[in-house]
Amino acid sequence: DAGVTQSPTHLIKTRGQQVTLRCSPKSGHDTVSWYQQALGQGPQFIFQYYEEEERQRGNFPDRFSGHQFPNYSSELNVNALLLGDSALYLCASSLGGGGAGEQFFGPGTRLTVL
Amino acid sequence: AQSVTQPDIHITVSEGASLELRCNYSYGATPYLFWYVQSPGQGLQLLLKYFSGDTLVQGIKGFEAEFKRSQSSFNLRKPSVHWSDAAEYFCADFLTGSASKIIFGSGTRLSIRP
Repeated sequence: DAGVTQSPTHLIKTRGQQVTLRCSPKSGHDTVSWYQQALGQGPQFIFQYYEEEERQRGNFPDRFSGHQFPNYSSELNVNALLLGDSALYLCASSLGGGGAGEQFFGPGTRLTVL
Repeated sequence: AQSVTQPDIHITVSEGASLELRCNYSYGATPYLFWYVQSPGQGLQLLLKYFSGDTLVQGIKGFEAEFKRSQSSFNLRKPSVHWSDAAEYFCADFLTGSASKIIFGSGTRLSIRP
């Protein structure tokens, strides 16, 4: 049973560029949440997708957007990259949208913005 | 706003010694609390969780945590640490009334002295 997978593992971009990160949830899960983890900090919630819709959003600008596909996989898009967007981006999957169910985390994508 | 505080940024203990990592959450009528561990280059792994019931919660890898409502605390303990326990530990609180939004503390880095 594959867990949560993310691609790519590492990514280097320059300021102003756009980036797309991908996540495949754990088998049987239908909900995907995205987190940003800056160096030395705890993860910060970006948004959550369930039934192909954004259900909840954290305190992130509109430059951060996402999508969920019918197979429950998800993408995180960041436009007009800033140096401060450099971080580890974590995807977590769970079941059933709302509720306090356990979230399973992927290994993350390390984004470096130069 | 709900928050999670981990007062200790970095702790070093000797192998075989006992461990306690502190976590305080802001007031919430029904806290849903978690401890996660993150090894270098890895995603987050759930150690244990508290939703209700017995205030002493057993987790994986020999960890336990005790929920104390009077102190708004959920400290993580282990009676005897192993070198493989060296990692970053995050306490987290699930926001009720929302869609699986988890608030993380800033983390405690655990080093093990041989």
